[in-house]
Amino acid sequence: ETGVTQSPTHLIKTRGQQVTLRCSSQSGHNTVSWYQQALGQGPQFIFQYYREEENGRGNFPPRFSGLQFPNYSSELNVNALELDDSALYLCASSLGQAPSRFGPGTRLTVT
Amino acid sequence: GENVEQHPSTLSVQEGDSAVIKCTYSDSASNYFPWYKQELGKRPQLIIDIRSNVGEKKDQRIAVTLNKTAKHFSLHITETQPEDSAVYFCAASDYKLSFGAGTTVTVRA
Repeated sequence: ETGVTQSPTHLIKTRGQQVTLRCSSQSGHNTVSWYQQALGQGPQFIFQYYREEENGRGNFPPRFSGLQFPNYSSELNVNALELDDSALYLCASSLGQAPSRFGPGTRLTVT
Repeated sequence: GENVEQHPSTLSVQEGDSAVIKCTYSDSASNYFPWYKQELGKRPQLIIDIRSNVGEKKDQRIAVTLNKTAKHFSLHITETQPEDSAVYFCAASDYKLSFGAGTTVTVRA
């Protein structure tokens, strides 16, 4: 059984650019959640996808958007990047309930 | 929405002593309470969790207690070792995880 995987591991972007982060869910899991962890803080919930539909959203602006595919993998897209978007982005998958285990994360640096 | 408060923000203990971290939550709909350990530059790792129908759970040197009435839960680490040094996060969940601000634990050898 493979766990949650994420790509890329690290990413450097310039302010104003757009970025796509990817997450492959654990086998058999139909729900994917995304979290943002800024340096020195706890993870913050961005949104959750269940069966390809957004199923709850945290306090993030519309320039944060996502997709879930039929195989339950997911993308997080961030448009018009700002310096404060620099963070570790974590993905977690679950079977229709609150997730507990995270993928390795993507560290995004915006300069 | 859910609000999770975590105390203390830093904790320094002598090796072999116990460490206790306390959290409170606000939303009575929360029914799942995981605890995470995060080492520098790594993902949060689940170390123990408890559901709302259970009052206490133990796994070797780690235990968690939950008081639903008071809406608080605690992590207890006994016989601390230097490798227990890390940042610990509590979280409360209905369908999404709401995290506390974290506790930096330092175990002095």
